[in-house]
Amino acid sequence: GAGVSQSPSNKVTEKGKDVELRCDPISGHTALYWYRQSLGQGLEFLIYFQGNSAPDKSGLPSDRFSAERTGGSVSTLTIQRTQQEDSAVYLCASSPNRGLTGGEQFFGPGTRLTVL
Amino acid sequence: QQPVQSPQAVILREGEDAVINCSSSKALYSVHWYRQKHGEAPVFLMILLKGGEQKGHEKISASFNEKKQQSSLYLTASQLSYSGTYFCGTEGGYKLSFGAGTTVTVRA
Repeated sequence: GAGVSQSPSNKVTEKGKDVELRCDPISGHTALYWYRQSLGQGLEFLIYFQGNSAPDKSGLPSDRFSAERTGGSVSTLTIQRTQQEDSAVYLCASSPNRGLTGGEQFFGPGTRLTVL
Repeated sequence: QQPVQSPQAVILREGEDAVINCSSSKALYSVHWYRQKHGEAPVFLMILLKGGEQKGHEKISASFNEKKQQSSLYLTASQLSYSGTYFCGTEGGYKLSFGAGTTVTVRA
C-alpha cells in the first residue's frame, strides 16, 4: 500500500516568506509526528498529533511554527516569516498506535527547505 | 533530554561485527532504533521495552539494560546493506528524543 507522502519534496524560499509543508500519512494511522533534521544532525521532534488533536507541541521552536491536522489525516506544518536557521529537512511520520510503546513510526521522504 | 550515542562513526569490512551504544540520563521505558540511508527516510528496526520484550523484524539484535539506562545495537556479520546512520530514540511522554546518530560504513 501507499506509504507516507510529503509535498513539496524541495522548497526554496526567501527569508521572511511563509511556507506550508504537507504530510499525507498512511490511511488509518491515528498518530502523526513532525520532525526536523538539520544537515548531518539527528531528528528533532516538533509536534505530535493523535487524531486531530496535538497533545504535545513542545518541540515547536518558536511561535512562527504551527501545525494542524484535519479529518484525522492530512497535516500541514506552517512556518511564518522564515529564517535561514529554518533550513532543514522536515520529516513526517505516522503510526497506527496511540502513543509510542510498541509503535513503529513510518517516515515520509521529507521536504527539504532552503531559506535564502 | 537527548540520548548519547557512541561511537559517532564506524567503518567495517563485510562480515565484521560492531556495537552501537545508546545511553540516557533519564530512566528508560523503551528504546527505539532506526536506520537512515543517505538521502532516504529513517526506517524502523526495532523497539526494546522495559521488561525485556523486543519487537522488531530485522536480523539485527539489541539489548536493553534498564539499570544502566543503556541500550546496545549489535551488527553481526555485517553486510553492505547495513551501511547507514543508526539512531536510537528514547521515549518521553508522547515524543521520541533521538540521539545524534552513528554512521556505519560497511566495505567489501
